[in-house]
Amino acid sequence: SQKIEQNSEALNIQEGKTATLTCNYTNYSPAYLQWYRQDPGRGPVFLLLIRENEKEKRKERLKVTFDTTLKQSLFHITASQPADSATYLCALVSTSGTYKYIFGTGTRLKVLA
Amino acid sequence: NAGVTQTPKFQVLKTGQSMTLQCAQDMNHEYMSWYRQDPGMGLRLIHYSVGAGITDQGEVPNGYNVSRSTTEDFPLRLLSAAPSQTSVYFCASSAGDLGAHYGYTFGSGTRLTVV
Repeated sequence: SQKIEQNSEALNIQEGKTATLTCNYTNYSPAYLQWYRQDPGRGPVFLLLIRENEKEKRKERLKVTFDTTLKQSLFHITASQPADSATYLCALVSTSGTYKYIFGTGTRLKVLA
Repeated sequence: NAGVTQTPKFQVLKTGQSMTLQCAQDMNHEYMSWYRQDPGMGLRLIHYSVGAGITDQGEVPNGYNVSRSTTEDFPLRLLSAAPSQTSVYFCASSAGDLGAHYGYTFGSGTRLTVV
């Protein structure tokens, strides 16, 4: 069955360091991969999208990589700040048939001052 | 620009009661969806709409109805609430292709408890 995995354990890092979050998937061929940020009690907020034919995407301090051979995406936040503390969700989007989304459960990031 | 507005923010229902979760967006988005979020599980699609008058089922549609009479509004109806419907519900909209190309804009959610 289709499966998407994000590290369910919280990730704690020191302010100023680079945070790296992982999204792995099996039995799926996504055309797109998206990353969202979710704060407690709030809805997810769209951050970045990367297509299957793209290796890397950057937006300010954010960088996403997408390896369709390894079936993995890495999400990096450089020069992390306490304000980056949140849960980050990845979502896979397939374009076969009706667009089909699978969301991961998210990884909670805490940036320590 | 309000984005996606959901009401109510919190609701407690008794088993068997019915209610409607409201969702409105002011971005003229064609695509709207309802998701539920449960602990340890990713967001799961309940119903979606690709435009006014057009709706379809998602992954977990049982026990829910939707309609889309206008571009702006996409209410979710719980027909006869069950404890298994205790969850946080999110409405989302997108400019095109169910969010594939542009990502979703989510509302702030409705936390529903069924007792």
